[in-house]
Amino acid sequence: DIQMTQSPSSLSASVGDRVTITCRASQTISSFLNWYQQKPGKAPKLLIYAAASLQSGVPSRFSGSGSGTDFTLTIRSLQPEDFATYYCQQSYSTPPWTFGHGTKVEIK
Amino acid sequence: QVQLQESGPGLMKPSQTLTLTCTVSGDSFTSGAYYWTWIRQHPEKGLEWIGYIHFSGTTYYNPSLRSRVSISMDTSKNQFFLKLTSVTAADTALYYCARERPKVRGGGLDVWGQGTTVTVSS
Repeated sequence: DIQMTQSPSSLSASVGDRVTITCRASQTISSFLNWYQQKPGKAPKLLIYAAASLQSGVPSRFSGSGSGTDFTLTIRSLQPEDFATYYCQQSYSTPPWTFGHGTKVEIK
Repeated sequence: QVQLQESGPGLMKPSQTLTLTCTVSGDSFTSGAYYWTWIRQHPEKGLEWIGYIHFSGTTYYNPSLRSRVSISMDTSKNQFFLKLTSVTAADTALYYCARERPKVRGGGLDVWGQGTTVTVSS
């Protein structure tokens, strides 16, 4: 299985900060990388698909980049509603798909 | 607006067989060539992909569960199902059903149910 390593596992930030989360795959996955946001008691929500495409309805302050093994999720100006846990997920070639262990974004 | 809703027993005893149902509303289950997926989340832990069924009937399972898991569907009811045999406490988790888009349409799990909790305890 392809292993996905996210960093950091948690971070503290203030409203208005620029936040960057990284995800590294154990082998190349081209651009088959998705990002999700999960708030407590809620299902994950798709933010970014195919590494850099913004899901419909997601604010433009969210962006994704990368290809191969290294990927980044950036939140340009953190808003109060962005405090959540973020997961990356690979869907390269054949299943099983695997997720990173998550990055919890907390209020500083 | 497509919606997914999981249903299931909630509490189970070890060695029993878990059956969960996901009901799809707002669209035809067989349209769009989607992959209908089950994912679980252990308490305070990350996400584990269990498997999917394509509207064509093709299935794919996580090798870690393959000997115990099966996914099926009833297109007439717009439902798909997860069956997990010989459950143990390690299967205690929040189970989600979700829809995965085909890669030609971008991929990604774009619609999720709210999740159903399964607790395995004697």
